[in-house]
Order: sequence, then structure tokens, then C-alpha cells
Amino acid sequence: QVQLQESGPGLVKPSGTLSLTCAVSGGSISSRNWWSWVRQPPGKGLEWIGEMHHSGSSNYNPSLKSRVTISIDKSKNQFSLKLTSMTAADTAVYYCARGSDLWGRGTLVTVSS
Amino acid sequence: DVVMTQSPLSLPVTLGQPASISCRSSQSLVHSDGNTYLSWFQQRPGQSPRRLIYKVSNRDSGVPDRFSGSGSGTDFTLKISRVEAEDVGVYYCMQDTHWLFTFGPGTKVDIK
Repeated sequence: QVQLQESGPGLVKPSGTLSLTCAVSGGSISSRNWWSWVRQPPGKGLEWIGEMHHSGSSNYNPSLKSRVTISIDKSKNQFSLKLTSMTAADTAVYYCARGSDLWGRGTLVTVSS
Repeated sequence: DVVMTQSPLSLPVTLGQPASISCRSSQSLVHSDGNTYLSWFQQRPGQSPRRLIYKVSNRDSGVPDRFSGSGSGTDFTLKISRVEAEDVGVYYCMQDTHWLFTFGPGTKVDIK
């Protein structure tokens, strides 16, 4: 079955850039799905960051749009998140997801010097 | 953005008894394609969210049939017919009719 696994640094410095990757196994990223990033600050609720279709279409959270880029690498069967100008408010568990029906385990990213 | 509200925010339940969570949206969730994209998620402690219900009332694969969803327009309900110990966690409704997709604040379910 399809599985998703996030990877990336657990610590980012203020004003730095977060880069996360989500590896898709057991299925093709070129299937008819949207690929998403969602985050959850510690002890808080869930927030959509954005999504991308393998065709290249994308949607971003307007509050993050100026700082976010989601991309798909079909050759590696993975997709990525880049979030620039990080602040403490960006500290969260970051989840990758296939649409909304399948989620990775999440990775905690802390913004601190 | 569509604002999702849930009630109650905390729900102590007795094992074997039913439980119900309400979710309301600030605008209709009926999509132009005629579908209503309202989902329910369960997040057990320390785990990632798991989708239980999609398009109001459709159970995802492997979801016990004690979970059911209903509603229309702006008012939706998740019901657990008989609560089991493994149902403890936070439940979120989410709309994916209108971008930006948005979640409710969550309802924490625990055992009395």
C-alpha cells in the first residue's frame, strides 16, 4: 500500500529556510492525486499549507503564499516543501499527505537559534 | 476563508455509550459539482490524523461501522454508536469544498 515519509531538518534558525521532502512508496506520484502539506503547532490545530497536482497545478495558503513553494520530483517519486523566512510561529509538526486520505507520520520542526 | 466550528470542544464519554460531535461551516459546503466535501479526522495521542469519513457520510476503508457521518449544507455531525477505549483522541471536521481548506478546532474525546 502507499506510504508517505517526511524527511528534513528538525531545527531551523530564525530567518532561515525550511526544506522538507515527502517520499512516496508503494505507488506513483503521477497518479491522479493532489499532494499536500499540513502543519500543526504543538498542542494546537491543523493548518493547510498547500497542495500540488502532478500536472503542475498548485494551491497555497494565502497567509503563507509569499514564503511557500511546493514541488514534485517525478523521477524520485517524491514531493517537497520549501518555507522561507522562518520564525518561531512556524514551529510545528509538518505532515505530508495524499490529498487528505493518507498522511505521513509527521516531522517536528523547531525554529530556534 | 470558510470558518469551521465544532461543539463540544471537550467530550467525556462512558465506554459503550454513544457520542456525537457537531460541526458547522460559515458558508455552504456544496461544491459546484454537486458534492459536499466535508470530512472527519481522528487524531490519537502522538499520531498523525486519520481520515474517518469523507463527503459527509462515506467511511474510509478500515473504519469501524460504529462511526457515521451525516448532515448537509452547513451543519454536520459525527456519531460514534458505542465508544471504545481506542476512540480516545481529538476529532476534527474539515472542509475541502473551498480553497483554503480549513479544519475545525477539534473535539477532545476521553473516557469518563
